[in-house]
Amino acid sequence: DAGITQSPRHKVTETGTPVTLRCHQTENHRYMYWYRQDPGHGLRLIHYSYGVKDTDKGEVSDGYSVSRSKTEDFLLTLESATSSQTSVYFCAISGTGGLAYNEQFFGPGTRLTVL
Amino acid sequence: AQSVTQLDSQVPVFEEAPVELRCNYSSSVSVYLFWYVQYPNQGLQLLLKYLSGSTLVKGINGFEAEFNKSQTSFHLRKPSVHISDTAEYFCAVSDSGNTPLVFGKGTRLSVIA
Repeated sequence: DAGITQSPRHKVTETGTPVTLRCHQTENHRYMYWYRQDPGHGLRLIHYSYGVKDTDKGEVSDGYSVSRSKTEDFLLTLESATSSQTSVYFCAISGTGGLAYNEQFFGPGTRLTVL
Repeated sequence: AQSVTQLDSQVPVFEEAPVELRCNYSSSVSVYLFWYVQYPNQGLQLLLKYLSGSTLVKGINGFEAEFNKSQTSFHLRKPSVHISDTAEYFCAVSDSGNTPLVFGKGTRLSVIA
Protein backbone atom coordinates (compact mmCIF):
# COMPACT_ATOMS: atom_id res chain seq x y z
CA ASP A 1 0.00 0.00 0.00
CA ALA A 2 1.09 3.54 -0.71
CA GLY A 3 1.81 5.25 2.59
CA ILE A 4 -1.10 7.63 2.88
CA THR A 5 -2.94 8.44 6.06
CA GLN A 6 -5.81 10.81 6.68
CA SER A 7 -6.82 12.37 9.95
CA PRO A 8 -9.27 12.47 11.47
CA ARG A 9 -11.11 9.47 9.99
CA HIS A 10 -14.45 10.68 11.27
CA LYS A 11 -15.58 14.12 12.37
CA VAL A 12 -18.86 15.71 13.35
CA THR A 13 -18.95 19.48 13.51
CA GLU A 14 -21.41 22.34 13.54
CA THR A 15 -22.32 24.77 10.80
CA GLY A 16 -20.06 27.80 10.73
CA THR A 17 -17.04 26.24 12.40
CA PRO A 18 -13.68 25.88 10.64
CA VAL A 19 -12.47 22.35 9.99
CA THR A 20 -9.05 21.12 8.88
CA LEU A 21 -8.41 17.69 7.42
CA ARG A 22 -4.90 16.35 7.13
CA CYS A 23 -3.35 14.10 4.52
CA HIS A 24 0.07 12.67 5.23
CA GLN A 25 2.23 10.63 2.85
CA THR A 26 5.48 8.79 3.38
CA GLU A 27 6.14 8.18 -0.34
CA ASN A 28 7.73 11.54 -1.22
CA HIS A 29 5.32 11.92 -4.15
CA ARG A 30 5.16 15.33 -5.72
CA TYR A 31 1.43 15.52 -6.44
CA MET A 32 -1.36 15.46 -3.88
CA TYR A 33 -5.12 15.81 -4.32
CA TRP A 34 -8.28 16.31 -2.32
CA TYR A 35 -11.57 14.86 -3.56
CA ARG A 36 -15.02 14.67 -2.14
CA GLN A 37 -17.30 11.71 -2.77
CA ASP A 38 -21.06 12.08 -2.75
CA PRO A 39 -23.77 9.64 -3.90
CA GLY A 40 -24.55 10.15 -7.56
CA HIS A 41 -21.57 12.42 -8.14
CA GLY A 42 -18.61 10.08 -7.99
CA LEU A 43 -15.36 11.77 -7.01
CA ARG A 44 -14.96 15.47 -7.58
CA LEU A 45 -11.64 17.26 -7.35
CA ILE A 46 -11.49 20.05 -4.77
CA HIS A 47 -7.86 21.19 -4.91
CA TYR A 48 -4.55 19.69 -5.84
CA SER A 49 -0.89 20.42 -5.30
CA TYR A 50 2.01 19.95 -7.68
CA GLY A 51 4.71 20.81 -5.17
CA VAL A 52 5.42 22.54 -1.88
CA LYS A 53 3.43 25.79 -1.81
CA ASP A 54 2.11 25.09 -5.34
CA THR A 55 -1.62 24.46 -5.47
CA ASP A 56 -4.49 24.84 -7.89
CA LYS A 57 -8.27 24.71 -7.81
CA GLY A 58 -10.37 21.78 -8.91
CA GLU A 59 -13.98 21.45 -9.95
CA VAL A 60 -15.57 22.18 -6.55
CA SER A 61 -13.17 24.51 -4.73
CA ASP A 62 -15.62 27.09 -3.35
CA GLY A 63 -15.59 27.10 0.45
CA TYR A 64 -12.31 25.17 0.67
CA SER A 65 -8.69 26.18 0.97
CA VAL A 66 -5.51 24.11 1.04
CA SER A 67 -1.95 24.42 2.15
CA ARG A 68 1.18 22.43 1.57
CA SER A 69 4.22 23.58 3.52
CA LYS A 70 5.99 20.21 3.39
CA THR A 71 6.11 17.49 0.74
CA GLU A 72 4.45 15.00 3.05
CA ASP A 73 1.47 17.02 4.27
CA PHE A 74 -1.53 18.46 2.41
CA LEU A 75 -4.15 20.21 4.52
CA LEU A 76 -7.73 20.88 3.49
CA THR A 77 -9.59 23.61 5.38
CA LEU A 78 -13.29 24.29 5.35
CA GLU A 79 -13.29 27.93 6.29
CA SER A 80 -16.86 27.94 7.62
CA ALA A 81 -18.45 24.52 7.37
CA THR A 82 -21.91 24.17 5.83
CA SER A 83 -24.25 21.18 5.70
CA SER A 84 -23.57 20.87 1.94
CA GLN A 85 -20.00 19.98 2.83
CA THR A 86 -21.10 16.81 4.60
CA SER A 87 -19.26 14.21 2.55
CA VAL A 88 -16.48 11.67 2.46
CA TYR A 89 -13.16 13.27 1.68
CA PHE A 90 -10.35 11.38 0.00
CA CYS A 91 -6.74 12.35 -0.37
CA ALA A 92 -4.67 10.93 -3.22
CA ILE A 93 -1.05 11.08 -4.32
CA SER A 94 0.79 10.48 -7.56
CA GLY A 95 4.15 11.09 -9.10
CA THR A 96 5.95 7.87 -9.78
CA GLY A 97 7.91 7.52 -12.97
CA GLY A 98 7.56 9.94 -15.83
CA LEU A 99 3.78 10.14 -15.87
CA ALA A 100 3.36 12.52 -13.03
CA TYR A 101 -0.39 12.95 -12.88
CA ASN A 102 -1.35 9.41 -13.58
CA GLU A 103 -2.06 6.45 -11.37
CA GLN A 104 -3.23 8.04 -8.19
CA PHE A 105 -3.07 6.20 -4.86
CA PHE A 106 -5.84 6.94 -2.41
CA GLY A 107 -6.04 7.32 1.34
CA PRO A 108 -8.72 5.66 3.48
CA GLY A 109 -11.00 8.69 3.57
CA THR A 110 -12.46 11.04 6.17
CA ARG A 111 -16.18 11.02 6.84
CA LEU A 112 -17.27 14.55 7.74
CA THR A 113 -20.73 15.41 9.04
CA VAL A 114 -21.74 19.05 9.37
CA LEU A 115 -24.83 19.55 11.56
CA ALA B 1 -12.00 19.48 -20.65
CA GLN B 2 -12.29 15.74 -20.41
CA SER B 3 -15.47 14.08 -19.21
CA VAL B 4 -16.31 10.48 -18.39
CA THR B 5 -19.66 8.77 -18.66
CA GLN B 6 -20.37 5.52 -16.90
CA LEU B 7 -23.52 4.37 -18.58
CA ASP B 8 -24.92 2.22 -15.78
CA SER B 9 -25.23 3.40 -12.20
CA GLN B 10 -26.09 -0.07 -10.93
CA VAL B 11 -25.43 -3.52 -12.38
CA PRO B 12 -26.84 -6.63 -10.67
CA VAL B 13 -25.43 -9.95 -11.85
CA PHE B 14 -25.56 -13.53 -10.67
CA GLU B 15 -22.46 -15.22 -9.31
CA GLU B 16 -20.29 -16.89 -11.98
CA ALA B 17 -21.96 -14.90 -14.77
CA PRO B 18 -19.97 -12.53 -16.99
CA VAL B 19 -20.17 -8.78 -16.52
CA GLU B 20 -19.35 -5.66 -18.52
CA LEU B 21 -19.21 -2.19 -16.98
CA ARG B 22 -19.31 0.52 -19.60
CA CYS B 23 -17.24 3.68 -19.74
CA ASN B 24 -17.09 6.36 -22.43
CA TYR B 25 -14.91 9.45 -22.42
CA SER B 26 -14.92 12.65 -24.43
CA SER B 27 -12.62 12.62 -27.39
CA SER B 28 -9.02 13.69 -27.17
CA VAL B 29 -5.85 13.18 -29.14
CA SER B 30 -4.33 11.05 -26.44
CA VAL B 31 -5.70 9.76 -23.18
CA TYR B 32 -4.72 7.69 -20.22
CA LEU B 33 -7.50 5.52 -18.84
CA PHE B 34 -8.03 3.85 -15.48
CA TRP B 35 -10.48 1.68 -13.61
CA TYR B 36 -10.63 1.85 -9.83
CA VAL B 37 -12.60 -0.29 -7.39
CA GLN B 38 -13.99 0.79 -4.04
CA TYR B 39 -15.08 -1.84 -1.55
CA PRO B 40 -17.52 -0.75 1.17
CA ASN B 41 -16.06 1.76 3.61
CA GLN B 42 -12.68 1.75 1.92
CA GLY B 43 -10.64 3.98 -0.36
CA LEU B 44 -10.14 3.45 -4.07
CA GLN B 45 -7.82 0.78 -5.38
CA LEU B 46 -6.41 0.66 -8.91
CA LEU B 47 -7.77 -2.24 -10.98
CA LEU B 48 -6.01 -1.56 -14.26
CA LYS B 49 -4.73 1.20 -16.52
CA TYR B 50 -4.19 1.96 -20.18
CA LEU B 51 -1.28 4.25 -20.98
CA SER B 52 -0.21 3.03 -24.43
CA GLY B 53 0.42 -0.14 -26.40
CA SER B 54 -1.96 -3.09 -26.47
CA THR B 55 -5.59 -2.06 -26.36
CA LEU B 56 -6.52 -5.04 -24.18
CA VAL B 57 -5.41 -4.43 -20.63
CA LYS B 58 -5.44 -7.01 -17.88
CA GLY B 59 -5.77 -6.06 -14.25
CA ILE B 60 -6.10 -7.57 -10.83
CA ASN B 61 -8.79 -10.02 -9.71
CA GLY B 62 -9.39 -11.32 -13.26
CA PHE B 63 -10.66 -8.05 -14.70
CA GLU B 64 -9.72 -6.74 -18.13
CA ALA B 65 -10.63 -3.71 -20.22
CA GLU B 66 -10.40 -2.82 -23.87
CA PHE B 67 -9.46 0.61 -25.15
CA ASN B 68 -11.46 1.50 -28.28
CA LYS B 69 -10.29 4.79 -29.70
CA SER B 70 -12.90 5.02 -32.47
CA GLN B 71 -15.73 4.57 -29.98
CA THR B 72 -13.97 6.50 -27.18
CA SER B 73 -14.72 3.64 -24.82
CA PHE B 74 -12.90 1.71 -22.12
CA HIS B 75 -15.30 -1.01 -20.97
CA LEU B 76 -14.41 -3.26 -18.04
CA ARG B 77 -15.13 -6.99 -18.23
CA LYS B 78 -14.87 -10.13 -16.15
CA PRO B 79 -15.85 -13.55 -17.50
CA SER B 80 -17.09 -14.93 -14.17
CA VAL B 81 -17.85 -12.79 -11.14
CA HIS B 82 -17.70 -13.72 -7.47
CA ILE B 83 -19.58 -12.41 -4.47
CA SER B 84 -16.37 -10.65 -3.42
CA ASP B 85 -16.53 -8.48 -6.57
CA THR B 86 -19.47 -6.59 -5.11
CA ALA B 87 -18.19 -3.00 -5.00
CA GLU B 88 -18.34 0.33 -6.75
CA TYR B 89 -16.24 0.76 -9.87
CA PHE B 90 -14.95 4.06 -11.20
CA CYS B 91 -13.60 4.87 -14.63
CA ALA B 92 -11.12 7.76 -14.84
CA VAL B 93 -9.28 9.59 -17.62
CA SER B 94 -6.57 12.18 -18.08
CA ASP B 95 -5.48 13.93 -21.27
CA SER B 96 -1.79 13.59 -20.61
CA GLY B 97 0.72 13.49 -17.82
CA ASN B 98 -0.11 17.08 -16.97
CA THR B 99 -3.75 16.97 -15.92
CA PRO B 100 -5.46 15.43 -12.88
CA LEU B 101 -7.74 12.46 -13.37
CA VAL B 102 -11.40 13.05 -14.14
CA PHE B 103 -13.68 10.40 -12.66
CA GLY B 104 -17.01 9.02 -13.78
CA LYS B 105 -19.90 8.83 -11.33
CA GLY B 106 -19.34 5.16 -10.64
CA THR B 107 -21.13 1.86 -11.26
CA ARG B 108 -22.29 -0.21 -8.32
CA LEU B 109 -21.82 -3.90 -9.09
CA SER B 110 -23.93 -6.25 -6.99
CA VAL B 111 -23.19 -9.95 -7.30
CA ILE B 112 -26.11 -12.15 -6.35
CA ALA B 113 -25.63 -15.68 -4.99
